[in-house]
Amino acid sequence: DAMVIQNPRYQVTQFGKPVTLSCSQTLNHNVMYWYQQKSSQAPKLLFHYYDKDFNNEADTPDNFQSRRPNTSFCFLDIRSPGLGDTAMYLCATSLQVEGYNEQFFGPGTRLTVL
Amino acid sequence: GQNIDQPTEMTATEGAIVQINCTYQTSGFNGLFWYQQHAGEAPTFLSYNVLDGLEEKGRFSSFLSRSKGYSYLLLKELQMKDSASYLCAVRDSNYQLIWGAGTKLIIKP
Repeated sequence: DAMVIQNPRYQVTQFGKPVTLSCSQTLNHNVMYWYQQKSSQAPKLLFHYYDKDFNNEADTPDNFQSRRPNTSFCFLDIRSPGLGDTAMYLCATSLQVEGYNEQFFGPGTRLTVL
Repeated sequence: GQNIDQPTEMTATEGAIVQINCTYQTSGFNGLFWYQQHAGEAPTFLSYNVLDGLEEKGRFSSFLSRSKGYSYLLLKELQMKDSASYLCAVRDSNYQLIWGAGTKLIIKP
């Protein structure tokens, strides 16, 4: 089945210790998104890639970086995690940005910073 | 600023009907989405409205009024598995999705 896969599903890290979250997709979608979602809050868009074009949201902290080495894979790097970065990190894909194009989400990575 | 408002929590009875409202103020409009999110899981797509009116899909229907900046999601014949959060999201003039915080729906037997 075509899908969006995220690894790991759960990650515990220490304050200040870098962490990388990965996302892969078999849908062949050209747009990929990274969201941060804290408990009972709306998903917050961190970045999105339209093909290889990287789009950084204005309020995404510099601590967060992303890489998309090819169409199928996307990574989220948190260089120096703080306690406030404890959240669910969701990867999503869509075929285009415009039109009737729903976003397909991966299962998420639940990150805990101690 | 851009804003999506939904009730924080609603309770309904198994077998009943519930309507979850969403009001929005965004810079432009290019469609409204409803997603379902079970606790600890990713959102899954439910419906999409871009024109005014009602879209029906089985037990779920979604309504849109662009002039009022208003949508609702109607769930019929509620089942226990419908207990989840329901997120309203609006795509603005830049085709960015603006998300609501979600409505937690609790179904009681």
